Amino acid sequence: GQNIDQPTEMTATEGAIVQINCTYQTSGFNGLFWYQQHAGEAPTFLSYNVLDGLEEKGRFSSFLSRSKGYSYLLLKELQMKDSASYLCAVSDGDYKLSFGAGTTVTVRA
Amino acid sequence: GAVVSQHPSWVICKSGTSVKIECRSLDFQATTMFWYRQFPKQSLMLMATSNEGSKATYEQGVEKDKFLINHASLTLSTLTVTSAHPEDSSFYICSARLAEGVYEQYFGPGTRLTVT
Repeated sequence: GQNIDQPTEMTATEGAIVQINCTYQTSGFNGLFWYQQHAGEAPTFLSYNVLDGLEEKGRFSSFLSRSKGYSYLLLKELQMKDSASYLCAVSDGDYKLSFGAGTTVTVRA
Repeated sequence: GAVVSQHPSWVICKSGTSVKIECRSLDFQATTMFWYRQFPKQSLMLMATSNEGSKATYEQGVEKDKFLINHASLTLSTLTVTSAHPEDSSFYICSARLAEGVYEQYFGPGTRLTVT
């Protein structure tokens, strides 16, 4: 099985930086995904890490350490539209995704 | 590219009736599709994995006779909630995997089911 933990809520100011941590314990591992989900909508893909290190994509970056079972999503230059739930998900050997409970990020002016 | 659609986007039905939800991959063929359920303020829970031309694989605790899944073609999977009850009210989301060896899943917009 999979055990995926991430903080429940985070609040930050517009223009600031927020880091969302995710730790996992899995029976198999074929990569870690970060998705963004606005209320009442389906998740949208943000990033995929399968090797250790940092992947940067515009204002969003994702880091993975497989030996530590740890990942983080870094959101820079926060905008109001970034207020959403951020889901950490791990892919096992059967292509299935197991999701964490999600971190609700609130951006304040 | 990699667009997944769902129909309907929302549905209200009476207790005891059945509801069918369609999931389509619009611009690619999806060998595997997945069905998730999400209750308010909770994360996505995988219900079943649907492979074209074969029986769906259900996760533990999901009743296969209640949630019927059919994957008739490489672009269409359907989920039928049979004899729906108010506790089945939820947000149902499907996803599709692009190809063999690709782990990323593309999600549909979801279907909000309300059973009265």
